[in-house]
Amino acid sequence: QKEVEQDPGPLSVPEGAIVSLNCTYSNSAFQYFMWYRQYSRKGPELLMYTYSSGNKEDGRFTAQVDKSSKYISLFIRDSQPSDSATYLCATDNAGNMLTFGGGTRLMVKP
Amino acid sequence: DVKVTQSSRYLVKRTGEKVFLECVQDMDHENMFWYRQDPGLGLRLIYFSYDVKMKEKGDIPEGYSVSREKKERFSLILESASTNQTSMYLCASSFAGENGYTFGSGTRLTVV
Repeated sequence: QKEVEQDPGPLSVPEGAIVSLNCTYSNSAFQYFMWYRQYSRKGPELLMYTYSSGNKEDGRFTAQVDKSSKYISLFIRDSQPSDSATYLCATDNAGNMLTFGGGTRLMVKP
Repeated sequence: DVKVTQSSRYLVKRTGEKVFLECVQDMDHENMFWYRQDPGLGLRLIYFSYDVKMKEKGDIPEGYSVSREKKERFSLILESASTNQTSMYLCASSFAGENGYTFGSGTRLTVV
């Protein structure tokens, strides 16, 4: 079993939809949770960063962590075609070493 | 604009060649990492370095080596390239004690 699991998709939604991207993880020692966005033929870029459980909002993006169920979510409101990318979740146990999910490919259609 | 720069975007090499992939960061980061990314397998850590002249094996170091002679530069070396090393190679860096990585744009290596 991988330490961080993520549905590879692709997930196809119409423009304006609310998108929910999810990850599960197995190591309860993980404390830091991140979402990276990767456009085609580019490197990943850090999108959201949270520590421990709770929500964090940044514009149209909300990251949610539920440590009791080991579940990480990223919500995108009013999705745009420019949000089409692969989204990678990542976790860390404060050892400076990230563990990545496999990524979910999102397509937002005009 | 701070960045991680990988020397080549696309590279085609022959089986058996020695291949050098270069990565330079201008953020004074202590930590540097090399990953490969393959469809269905995600990001896999090859090697990482916490300081100059230091290196640690990641999950898939076989067939690779690294060099970090200067803080800003981390090189990945394929000693004898093989077709199963055809992949997207990503370099990343971060400050010590922080876990937000900055990635380069990647090098797509094809070994024929």
